[in-house]
Amino acid sequence: GAGVSQTPSNKVTEKGKYVELRCDPISGHTALYWYRQSLGQGPEFLIYFQGTGAADDSGLPNDRFFAVRPEGSVSTLKIQRTERGDSAVYLCASSPKRLADTDTQYFGPGTRLTVL
Amino acid sequence: SQQGEEDPQALSIQEGENATMNCSYKTSINNLQWYRQNSGRGLVHLILIRSNEREKHSGRLRVTLDTSKKSSSLLITASRAADTASYFCATDTGRRALTFGSGTRLQVQP
Repeated sequence: GAGVSQTPSNKVTEKGKYVELRCDPISGHTALYWYRQSLGQGPEFLIYFQGTGAADDSGLPNDRFFAVRPEGSVSTLKIQRTERGDSAVYLCASSPKRLADTDTQYFGPGTRLTVL
Repeated sequence: SQQGEEDPQALSIQEGENATMNCSYKTSINNLQWYRQNSGRGLVHLILIRSNEREKHSGRLRVTLDTSKKSSSLLITASRAADTASYFCATDTGRRALTFGSGTRLQVQP
């Protein structure tokens, strides 16, 4: 079946601009996660949705970052007033949220954001 | 912040050899997972080991977990050039969000 998809695959923007990154999770997966990965590092957690609500947004670095999942499926990560330090690969993952101790997250290919 | 640290940071071996990667973490966990990443893009889940398990196998992969030492190892046996990738351990502390280490870059020479 179809995996997690993310659009766009690459996004180049100028400092100060607003960007939206989209994630389509695997159909039927109730949990959705956003991570950010800088060059040479492992992914860092940003936010986790269970259904439509953000169950944990403790990883969002500041109030320029915001994410929504209005219908419990597609999610959009929004970044206002982008800064060069926001440049990274933004990864989305989803999981079916069955048993908590065996829940596997399935990752999308990521969006590479470059802020000039 | 990164919970885990992988060791070594980079590993180069010949095809057919075994590759061992280690991961250390800092807090109590529900489970520990290993992921593979090619070319800095999407991660592929390899194996999950629960906190009450000590060893798990999947094909050419063997994972061990020592919760007393807060460490795990991933062994890839009979490596192939196609195994060349970055490998990350990730811990689930019950928050559901995964905390990743910084990764081991594996290069398998044909």
